[in-house]
Formats: sequence, C-alpha cells, structure tokens
Amino acid sequence: SQTIHQWPATLVQPVGSPLSLECTVEGTSNPNLYWYRQAAGRGLQLLFYSVGIGQISSEVPQNLSASRPQDRQFILSSKKLLLSDSGFYLCAWSVRLATDTQYFGPGTRLTVL
Amino acid sequence: AQSVTQLDSHVSVSEGTPVLLRCNYSSSYSPSLFWYVQHPNKGLQLLLKYTSAATLVKGINGFEAEFKKSETSFHLTKPSAHMSDAAEYFCVVSDPGGSSNTGKLIFGQGTTLQVKP
Repeated sequence: SQTIHQWPATLVQPVGSPLSLECTVEGTSNPNLYWYRQAAGRGLQLLFYSVGIGQISSEVPQNLSASRPQDRQFILSSKKLLLSDSGFYLCAWSVRLATDTQYFGPGTRLTVL
Repeated sequence: AQSVTQLDSHVSVSEGTPVLLRCNYSSSYSPSLFWYVQHPNKGLQLLLKYTSAATLVKGINGFEAEFKKSETSFHLTKPSAHMSDAAEYFCVVSDPGGSSNTGKLIFGQGTTLQVKP
C-alpha cells in the first residue's frame, strides 16, 4: 500500500532563517506531488505541484521554492523565512493520469518567530 | 472556472443526531467531487468521492453525500453523529487542468463540526 511521510512534524524557526521540509511517498511510481499551506482558520492554498522529476509549477509567488530531486521526494524550501510563512504545510500525492484523488501526509506545523 | 462554496463555516449538533454539511459547486466540466476530513493538527483524510457513477456516494465512518446536478450541490450527511466526528470538513472539486491533467483540487473554506454530548 502507499504511504506518504513528512518531516519534521513541528518546527519553530526565527525570521530570516532557512527552511527545508521533506515529503516522501512509498508504494507508487511517477506520482503527482503537491505542497499546500493551511494558515490558521483558513482553507488550503496550493503552493506547488510536480508531475515529474525536476518539473515544478508554482501557484503563488512568494519566497518559497520547491524541488523534486527524486521520483518520490518533494522538498519545500526557503532561503529566508517571513512571519507570514507560519502555518501547517501539507504534502499530497495523486496517481498520474489515472485518478485525481489526492492523498495527504500528516503535515508539518511551522511557526516563525 | 471551478469553484466550491461551503455554506456553513461552523455546524454544531448533539451526539446521536443527524449531520448535514452543505456544499455547492460550480464547474464547466463534469466534475469530480470529494469530501475530506481533518482532525486537529492532522493531515486530510478522504471521506468519499463522486465521479459520475452513482449520485449517492457512500464513504467511510457512515458518511454519505448526494450529487445533485440540478442544484449544483454535494451535501455531506450522516444519520447519527458521534463525538469522534468533531473535525474540519472540506468539500473539494477537481480542476482537470485541460490537457495537463495535473489533477488540481479546488478546496472549500471548510466547515467545523462540533458534536456536543
């Protein structure tokens, strides 16, 4: 069966520090991968999606970036965090071309102080 | 363009009473529609999915939803609420993305379900 992992589960970082959040998927090949952010009391905002290694599409311009160095690995990064980057970050995957159901990881709670 | 509106930001029910979470959608395609549930500080879990088969979709934990094209609605129901149902619920419509088939989802703003003992 497929599983999706995210780490770390929680993170507290100072303003201006770098960020790296990792997401990996097991049990499937060539997945579509997604990064979402959920700010307090708000819905989900799609940040990035990827349909293959090295292929990244950005939905919202900001100081975050994403990379996909391997087929089942998706990384969310920032060079300098802002206070507004605080939130709950969710990674998701879907099967390419077959279905559009997305399956979510457990999330990372990021607090920028 | 696809969009989804959850008509209630907060719903409160007593344990053992029915649950109704309302969702309207707008889509220029034949949409796929979903309901996800999120417990505090957890990821989203798929409750059920509609994909143009049966209009009444049964999901996990006793939830079901009915697709009504004439009303552009996809309301989520459960006959009897349980304390463990207290969570945030998201109605979601798929965006086919044209030829790219990225499977992007459009999320509603969420409905918080409170279950009182």
